[in-house]
Amino acid sequence: GQNIDQPTEMTATEGAIVQINCTYQTSGFNGLFWYQQHAGEAPTFLSYNVLDGLEEKGRFSSFLSRSKGYSYLLLKELQMKDSASYLCAGVDSNYQLIWGAGTKLIIKP
Amino acid sequence: DAGITQSPRHKVTETGTPVTLRCHQTENHRYMYWYRQDPGHGLRLIHYSYGVKDTDKGEVSDGYSVSRSKTEDFLLTLESATSSQTSVYFCAISESDREGTEAFFGQGTRLTVV
Repeated sequence: GQNIDQPTEMTATEGAIVQINCTYQTSGFNGLFWYQQHAGEAPTFLSYNVLDGLEEKGRFSSFLSRSKGYSYLLLKELQMKDSASYLCAGVDSNYQLIWGAGTKLIIKP
Repeated sequence: DAGITQSPRHKVTETGTPVTLRCHQTENHRYMYWYRQDPGHGLRLIHYSYGVKDTDKGEVSDGYSVSRSKTEDFLLTLESATSSQTSVYFCAISESDREGTEAFFGQGTRLTVV
């Protein structure tokens, strides 16, 4: 079966760094997305990885290891506005997105 | 922001009644999707469309139907609502289903079936 696993909740301190992990099992693989979702709002696109390695975009970076079926989202210099859920989604061989349940990130002052 | 609007934003309905949710886009994107989001679950695909009158089922399509008569509108109908269909429903659009094409989401519709 297809499955995406990510931690349910994480807590971090303002100004710190946090890494949110995601492991995936999909039928075929055509990349992995990260989305951010603030409470009561729509998910918004953060990153897409299809090749191994780290993609950096400002304070946010996303890493992929295809051989390990593993990705992480790295958030630096955390701000209170980063409190949100972070959704990991793998793309299978039919280009369908398989979504994880999301990681709720709580930022404390 | 991508031009995508869902209506209504909130709805309470009774078990057994039909309900239609509307998704309207102004981006002329080919692909449109309906998802439901429930606590403890990832977004789950209900139905999607890859063009006018072209639709297909997702992983949780039972009890739902869709129609797309115009590029800009994608309707989701619950023929006879049940309490298990209480959820937040998101519409999404994308230009393509190929690698790396991001999806843009509407603001969601919170549906309560009592």
